[in-house]
Amino acid sequence: AQKVTQAQTEISVVEKEDVTLDCVYETRDTTYYLFWYKQPPSGELVFLIRRNSFDEQNEISGRYSWNFQKSTSSFNFTITASQVVDSAVYFCALSPYNQGGKLIFGQGTELSVKP
Amino acid sequence: DAGVTQSPTHLIKTRGQQVTLRCSPKSGHDTVSWYQQALGQGPQFIFQYYEEEERQRGNFPDRFSGHQFPNYSSELNVNALLLGDSALYLCASSILAGGPRNEQYFGPGTRLTVT
Repeated sequence: AQKVTQAQTEISVVEKEDVTLDCVYETRDTTYYLFWYKQPPSGELVFLIRRNSFDEQNEISGRYSWNFQKSTSSFNFTITASQVVDSAVYFCALSPYNQGGKLIFGQGTELSVKP
Repeated sequence: DAGVTQSPTHLIKTRGQQVTLRCSPKSGHDTVSWYQQALGQGPQFIFQYYEEEERQRGNFPDRFSGHQFPNYSSELNVNALLLGDSALYLCASSILAGGPRNEQYFGPGTRLTVT
């Protein structure tokens, strides 16, 4: 079975706090891609990052960082010094190599950053 | 450069009716995928179109059908609407040649309410 689990349904933090969103995935494929998308209240999913299964290097982009650990099938997302504009629903997604780009999404984590 | 566009933005239908949703992909993209996002859930893959043919299909009944036109735009049709079809319908476009590594660009969605 191929599945993505985001166990945190809602997270609430105060501005400037660091926050980590968890993502655990299941797949039997050896080649796959992992994504994070942000969905603001407007509804449009915004691409944040893509990682392939052979690249376990962590990545940092400004206040965002991602930790990919194949050993634990996790692809966690950390926002450093959170801001009110980070408030949104965040989705982790899996794209198996042999399924032509189909995305399997987790249930999402709703992040609320309060001033 | 226009992104993915969808129409209409909102739609209200009655049980048993039929509905058609429309999507124009991002310029240069040749593949269109449709997703259904129920309230509080992650998007679920419906199907994907390339070269005017359905390439992949998720676990959705035959009441859900689609079409892709020579200009790569696409339609999603749902027949015999049920209350459970109420959801945000998202269209995503990509370039097939890139396979699963390609990020999918999402439109703002069509909010369908079935009463």
